[in-house]
Amino acid sequence: GESVGLHLPTLSVQEGDNSIINCAYSNSASDYFIWYKQESGKGPQFIIDIRSNMDKRQGQRVTVLLNKTVKHLSLQIAATQPGDSAVYFCAENKPGSYIPTFGRGTSLIVHP
Amino acid sequence: DAGVTQSPTHLIKTRGQQVTLRCSPKSGHDTVSWYQQALGQGPQFIFQYYEEEERQRGNFPDRFSGHQFPNYSSELNVNALLLGDSALYLCASSSPENRQGAGIGELFFGEGSRLTVL
Repeated sequence: GESVGLHLPTLSVQEGDNSIINCAYSNSASDYFIWYKQESGKGPQFIIDIRSNMDKRQGQRVTVLLNKTVKHLSLQIAATQPGDSAVYFCAENKPGSYIPTFGRGTSLIVHP
Repeated sequence: DAGVTQSPTHLIKTRGQQVTLRCSPKSGHDTVSWYQQALGQGPQFIFQYYEEEERQRGNFPDRFSGHQFPNYSSELNVNALLLGDSALYLCASSSPENRQGAGIGELFFGEGSRLTVL
């Protein structure tokens, strides 16, 4: 079946490095993608989104890249900080749907 | 401005029992979605309520039911609990503005209710 998945379950980086979290999606009909951050003991928190008519979108220290040709989504975090340690989920939406489908998540560990 | 609030935060039940979880959406939000998150997994969509009706449902059995009240708050009920129902149950709300155009925009999640079934 079609699903959202992640390449790496755990990513360890040093403080100050740039982090890249990847996500593969298989539903070619999806037209809207979201990245969420979930800290321990909390609910997911919206980070950034991107629509399928865009290739790149930037926020504060974060950039999302969308490659529709290979159905790949990535989240880049610049100058990673210990407070960025969390599980990151990508989620996708099909046209007309109000329900994002979440992938399994990647755990980001930032070492001081 | 209060965000999404859920209660209780933690609870323990035994197999066969019933549970009710509660959610108050963020101020100005009229749509509530419920998700189940097993340990180490991403949230799985249970159902969404809008205008006091279930608008969309995920792949969950009828033991899972819900309700939305006129003040937009919502309840999730699970009957005949199974060990596999142990999970974090998340409530998320969204606003009418989120629905303009394609996609749903930003969902605001509560901190969840941790259910343990023994």
